Amino acid sequence: AQRVTQPEKLLSVFKGAPVELKCNYSYSGSPELFWYVQYSRQRLQLLLRHISRESIKGFTADLNKGETSFHLKKPFAQEEDSAMYYCALKGNAGNMLTFGGGTRLMVKP
Amino acid sequence: DTGVSQNPRHKITKRGQNVTFRCDPISEHNRLYWYRQTLGQGPEFLTYFQNEAQLEKSRLLSDRFSAERPKGSFSTLEIQRTEQGDSAMYLCASSPGRRSDRNQPQHFGDGTRLSIL
Repeated sequence: AQRVTQPEKLLSVFKGAPVELKCNYSYSGSPELFWYVQYSRQRLQLLLRHISRESIKGFTADLNKGETSFHLKKPFAQEEDSAMYYCALKGNAGNMLTFGGGTRLMVKP
Repeated sequence: DTGVSQNPRHKITKRGQNVTFRCDPISEHNRLYWYRQTLGQGPEFLTYFQNEAQLEKSRLLSDRFSAERPKGSFSTLEIQRTEQGDSAMYLCASSPGRRSDRNQPQHFGDGTRLSIL
């Protein structure tokens, strides 16, 4: 069975502070990991994926297979980063995404 | 291309009624997915189509739920004899299905919010 855990429901930081949204997964094979973001009144959209190894809007995430984690990080949070963030996993078999429960990030001025 | 389109945006109905939602994927996307999201939770997978073939179904998809994609383009999700517990946001997503696009991510629609009275 595959599972994604986001331990924090809410993360509140001040503008300019570093941000780390935690994601841990459980999967026996080699998964593909994603971060999706949902801004207020907008649809769920892809933020980044581990195979791309890129930085989007200043966010990065590194897949740590030893710790089975895929934490999302940004060195300096901006107010426009306030949104719901979902970590998701795609296994080797099948095409479904398994999502975590989401973390609401609030960046205060 | 306006992305994945879902309608209606909202549906309010009485318990026991049947409801049907529609999803129009991004054109040329062969793969189509349905998810359900309840308050405070992440989306949960319901079912997946490759063209017109329904290839995966979650245990969440009870006998009252049926999904179709008759021509491999738009899809419908029907819930029969709705129950209070069916109240949720129903999300549709699509992705390319060609071998060269195998690793392309899923693109989501705005969802249909179902409220059962």
